[in-house]
Amino acid sequence: QKEVEQNSGPLSVPEGAIASLNCTYSDRGSQSFFWYRQYSGKSPELIMSIYSNGDKEDGRFTAQLNKASQYVSLLIRDSQPSDSATYLCAVNTGFQKLVFGTGTRLLVSP
Amino acid sequence: DTAVSQTPKYLVTQMGNDKSIKCEQNLGHDTMYWYKQDSKKFLKIMFSYNNKELIINETVPNRFSPKSPDKAHLNLHINSLELGDSAVYFCASSQDSWAGGESFGPGTRLTVL
Repeated sequence: QKEVEQNSGPLSVPEGAIASLNCTYSDRGSQSFFWYRQYSGKSPELIMSIYSNGDKEDGRFTAQLNKASQYVSLLIRDSQPSDSATYLCAVNTGFQKLVFGTGTRLLVSP
Repeated sequence: DTAVSQTPKYLVTQMGNDKSIKCEQNLGHDTMYWYKQDSKKFLKIMFSYNNKELIINETVPNRFSPKSPDKAHLNLHINSLELGDSAVYFCASSQDSWAGGESFGPGTRLTVL
């Protein structure tokens, strides 16, 4: 079982819709969780971090964490074509390193 | 006003050669990392250094040798390059050794022929 799993996509949504990206992780001891956005040919860019159960909102982005279900998600409201990218879920399992998922490719059509 | 910079951006070389990638950060961060992103876009940590000391050394062939002359620099030297080393290598830094929220450099695309 992979440590961090994501659906590779592509996830296609129309402009203005809500995009929902999901991630599951295997290590129950994981303590912090991150979402990175990576445009094609570019480096990953941190967009959200979450450490406790519940929701965390930042602008159009909401991260959701459920440690009991070992599940973290990212919602993007009012999706824009500029949101089209690969979204990487990353988990700190407590060993001073991040474990990344393989990413979900999001396509937002005008 | 680049935060994390890497050179070169592209590196094309023959099998068996030795090459180096340089990384510098001007964020004042204490921890620096090397990540490898393969052709399937899977991003995996290779090494991390905190204040010039090696913290993480993942299962990486010993042909890869990181060197941190000071906490603002972390270079990666690769000996006897193999086809499977072709990937994008990202340098990153973070404020402390508790991984998360790293700032990534622009990446070095290494192609081994």
